[in-house]
Amino acid sequence: EVILTQSPATLSLSPGERATLSCRASQRVSIYLAWYQQKPGQAPRLLIHDASNRATGIPARFSGSGSGTDFTLTISSLEPEDFAVYYCQQRSTFGGGTKVEIK
Amino acid sequence: QVQLVESGGGVVQPGRSLRVSCVASGFSFSDYGIHWVRQVPGKGLEWVAVISDDGSIIYYRDSVKGRFTISRDNSKNTVYLQMRSLRPEDTAVYYCAKDEHNFGYNFHQWGQGTLVTVSS
Repeated sequence: EVILTQSPATLSLSPGERATLSCRASQRVSIYLAWYQQKPGQAPRLLIHDASNRATGIPARFSGSGSGTDFTLTISSLEPEDFAVYYCQQRSTFGGGTKVEIK
Repeated sequence: QVQLVESGGGVVQPGRSLRVSCVASGFSFSDYGIHWVRQVPGKGLEWVAVISDDGSIIYYRDSVKGRFTISRDNSKNTVYLQMRSLRPEDTAVYYCAKDEHNFGYNFHQWGQGTLVTVSS
């Protein structure tokens, strides 16, 4: 079973800054990796699937990249509503999450 | 629009059973696989089970095999998760999620979740 390791655990940034989140897989997963955003009290929301494809309605400031074992979610310029927890996922495995908090 | 609504959560004693449901609307239900994903409050996400569009193929995580049963009734646009021999570590919010196809494992839409608490 694949293990997904997300880093950092917490990212403290200000609105307007660029956020770079990492997800590393314990074995090669090709491009089959997704990213989700979750806000307190809400269900997760799919942001990116197949490493780099934005889901319907997701703003262009969110982008995904990577293949094999190393993946990145980038938020080009943080909006106030982007402060949340982000999870990567590959099939039945989720990463531990990265919390993006306001600095 | 696509909507998934879970229900049936509550407080149950260890060793007892509970069934949660997920009613779907806004899409052709019988064309998609449906997953259950759970989350201990304040913790991360954990995939639980998936059922194919016609109910013929089912997968579970190891820790629930033999205790949980996923099923669906396409005439009612509903997926069920029957949970037996519940343990305190099964306490979580249970979400149902729609797959992009059958087993694409991209969860495009989620319900709001239902909380299951296993406690004496």
